[in-house]
Amino acid sequence: DAGITQSPRHKVTETGTPVTLRCHQTENHRYMYWYRQDPGHGLRLIHYSYGVKDTDKGEVSDGYSVSRSKTEDFLLTLESATSSQTSVYFCAISLQGFRETQYFGPGTRLLVL
Amino acid sequence: RKEVEQDPGPFNVPEGATVAFNCTYSNSASQSFFWYRQDCRKEPKLLMSVYSSGNEDGRFTAQLNRASQYISLLIRDSKLSDSATYLCVVNEGNQFYFGTGTSLTVIP
Repeated sequence: DAGITQSPRHKVTETGTPVTLRCHQTENHRYMYWYRQDPGHGLRLIHYSYGVKDTDKGEVSDGYSVSRSKTEDFLLTLESATSSQTSVYFCAISLQGFRETQYFGPGTRLLVL
Repeated sequence: RKEVEQDPGPFNVPEGATVAFNCTYSNSASQSFFWYRQDCRKEPKLLMSVYSSGNEDGRFTAQLNRASQYISLLIRDSKLSDSATYLCVVNEGNQFYFGTGTSLTVIP
């Protein structure tokens, strides 16, 4: 196991409510990533972080924000959840960056009603 | 236009069979290549990286053809435990692009 946990593992929420997903790692890896996985699409990068307080947007960042105040924690926030954000969210880590292997957390299943 | 394209399958093969998956990518500047395996309702896990010269790990062989921009995965002597979805992954700069996956079921 890569020492990555995600919480919550399952969440049901209503449209318009804020939601925060947490990714926690024990590996002290510099890079952390948030992806979403939907049928008919490969995993798509939402945001990533290359250090404490250093974050950048990915392919599908609209409607999401992130924060990283500690090396081990990377938070994903849906400011006002929409039904289109119903998905499975995976956190991943890597030691050096994008050219290296990424290790994934167990995922969070989010349903927005 | 998708960055990475895979045949979704499903591939249904008997135990002991050899099966091959292909994946094409659109950007010739892509730098790193991987195959991941994903079991139902689980996270993707690295199967193997793909090197220019090709590489083998037990029953699994990966090949990269930069000229034609495709990656292949060959599984020999298929086991029931190989049943999963196989994801092709390509790195371009600060981005990973995932294929939608190829579903494999190995039948007793």
